[in-house]
This record gives sequence, C-alpha cells and structure tokens, in this order.
Amino acid sequence: AQSVAQPEDQVNVAEGNPLTVKCTYSVSGNPYLFWYVQYPNRGLQFLLKYITGDNLVKGSYGFEAEFNKSQTSFHLKKPSALVSDSALYFCAVPLDYKLSFGAGTTVTVRA
Amino acid sequence: EPEVTQTPSHQVTQMGQEVILRCVPISNHLYFYWYRQILGQKVEFLVSFYNNEISEKSEIFDDQFSVERPDGSNFTLKIRSTKLEDSAMYFCASSEGYPARTFGSGTRLTVV
Repeated sequence: AQSVAQPEDQVNVAEGNPLTVKCTYSVSGNPYLFWYVQYPNRGLQFLLKYITGDNLVKGSYGFEAEFNKSQTSFHLKKPSALVSDSALYFCAVPLDYKLSFGAGTTVTVRA
Repeated sequence: EPEVTQTPSHQVTQMGQEVILRCVPISNHLYFYWYRQILGQKVEFLVSFYNNEISEKSEIFDDQFSVERPDGSNFTLKIRSTKLEDSAMYFCASSEGYPARTFGSGTRLTVV
C-alpha cells in the first residue's frame, strides 16, 4: 500500500539555522508526494508537491524538498528557519481518491 | 486566490445531538473530501464525493455520517448522533482532479 512515514515527532532548531523535516515513502510506480503545514489553530496549507521532473522542488514560504528515489525520501528543507515556521508539518501521498498523511512532525524554532 | 470555506470554525454540541458541518468548495472543483484530525493525531480521510455520490469512504465513515451537496455550492458533513470520540478538527477539501487538493481552515467540533 502507498504510505509515507515521518520518523521524527519533533524537530527543534534555532532561528537562522537550517531546518530539515524527514519523510520516507513506500509507493509503487512513480510517486506523487506532498508537504502540508498546519499552523496553530489553523487548517492545512499546501507547501509543495513532487509530480515529476526536477528532484528539487521549491514551494511556499522559502521551503523546498528533495526527492531521492534511491533513499525513497522526500525531506522538507529550509536553509534558514524563522520562529514563524513553528508548526506541524505533514508529508502525504495520494491513494486513490484520498490523501494518506504521515503522522506529522512538530517543528519548534527558538529565537 | 480561491479558498475552501468552512463554517462554523468551532462548534460545541451535546453527546447524542446531530451536527452539520458546512463547506463551500472552490467553484470549479469537481471532487470534494472530508478529513478529520483528532487532537494531537494524524489527519485521517473520511470520505470523497464526486458526481453527486460517494466515491470512497474510510472505516471511520459509518452509518452515523453522511454527506450532501444540497444546492450545487455547499458540501455538508452530517453526524447524526454525536459521540465524545467525534471531537476533532474536521477539514473539507476540494480539487479539480487528481492529485492535488485545497483544504479549508477546518471546523473544531467539541462533543460534551
């Protein structure tokens, strides 16, 4: 079955430092992969997606993600984190009509 | 940018009562979805809806749940007799097709 896994429940970084949120996938064929962010008491906001093409995908708010087929990973990255990036991040993969989400990673960026 | 709108943002209801959660999808979208997120847990798929019928539903979506598109613009989720464990954030989403979709900001349902 198509699924994604987020191995880290929490990631803590200092403002200005690089941020990486990990996601690995188990997908047959060519995967579609998504990242969403949920700010406190807010809905899910789309960050970026990988459909095909360049392995490095650029998205909203300065985020990017690298698709790595050999490692079956799609890690989310930001070169310099901001305190306002503190949120819950979800990796997702489409499965038939639905999106299957990872368990989520809580990112805390300290000033 | 077009948005998916959900109302109310927060609803409190007594156990056993019926609730209707409302959503206005993006106007040219054809596929509609409901998801839920119990506090601190992952986002779970409930149901997808296309061409005026359910296209897929999860095990969570039992006989207590129903969806409707009553007037061509609204998309509703009804829970007939709420239970404490129905307390969650409910997200509506819509899409033109596969695979991306746009989510609303959610309705927080609290069953007391």
